[in-house]
Amino acid sequence: KQEVTQIPAALSVPEGENLVLNCSFTDSAIYNLQWFRQDPGKGLTSLLLIQSSQREQTSGRLNASLDKSSGRSTLYIAASQPGDSATYLCAVKDSSASKIIFGSGTRLSIRP
Amino acid sequence: DAGITQSPRYKITETGRQVTLMCHQTWSHSYMFWYRQDLGHGLRLIYYSAAADITDKGEVPDGYVVSRSKTENFPLTLESATRSQTSVYFCASRHGFSGTDNTGELFFGEGSRLTVL
Repeated sequence: KQEVTQIPAALSVPEGENLVLNCSFTDSAIYNLQWFRQDPGKGLTSLLLIQSSQREQTSGRLNASLDKSSGRSTLYIAASQPGDSATYLCAVKDSSASKIIFGSGTRLSIRP
Repeated sequence: DAGITQSPRYKITETGRQVTLMCHQTWSHSYMFWYRQDLGHGLRLIYYSAAADITDKGEVPDGYVVSRSKTENFPLTLESATRSQTSVYFCASRHGFSGTDNTGELFFGEGSRLTVL
């Protein structure tokens, strides 16, 4: 059974720092991995989607990497800003199932 | 506007009443999902649908009913609401894995916050 873990549950850093959020999964037979952002009281916004055949995806200051063999993905945020404060979730789609498994998220706070 | 919309956004009801949460998407996505999000439990899948008239149970289906007579709509019904069903409900959708768009990217609605008194 696929399990997705995000550590730490919360992270606070000063503005301007580069930071890395982690996502680990137990079964490497995945179809894709998706990173989301969730602001308080809002829905989930898709940030980056990495297919199983890809190693990384980039969008602006965000870079997501995927290492299937080690069951890990990282979301790199460059030059963090207070507006980046939100909860970041990763989700894994298994190759063999229709369901998507979510991590519990990392709550990120960027201090001005 | 294109996208995925949920209604109502906020609902307060009483124990035992029937409640229906609506979800509508304009992308013609074949797959639609209902999740609930609770502190300490994260996002849990309630039901999903692979196409019109095809639905299947997720992780926590008890107490919920779904239907999908049209591709664009996927309503979630609580037949007799209980306090434990107080939660934020999210609808999501994506394409299938055939055709020109097979990335499987998942899109979410803004959520429906339900309080059962």
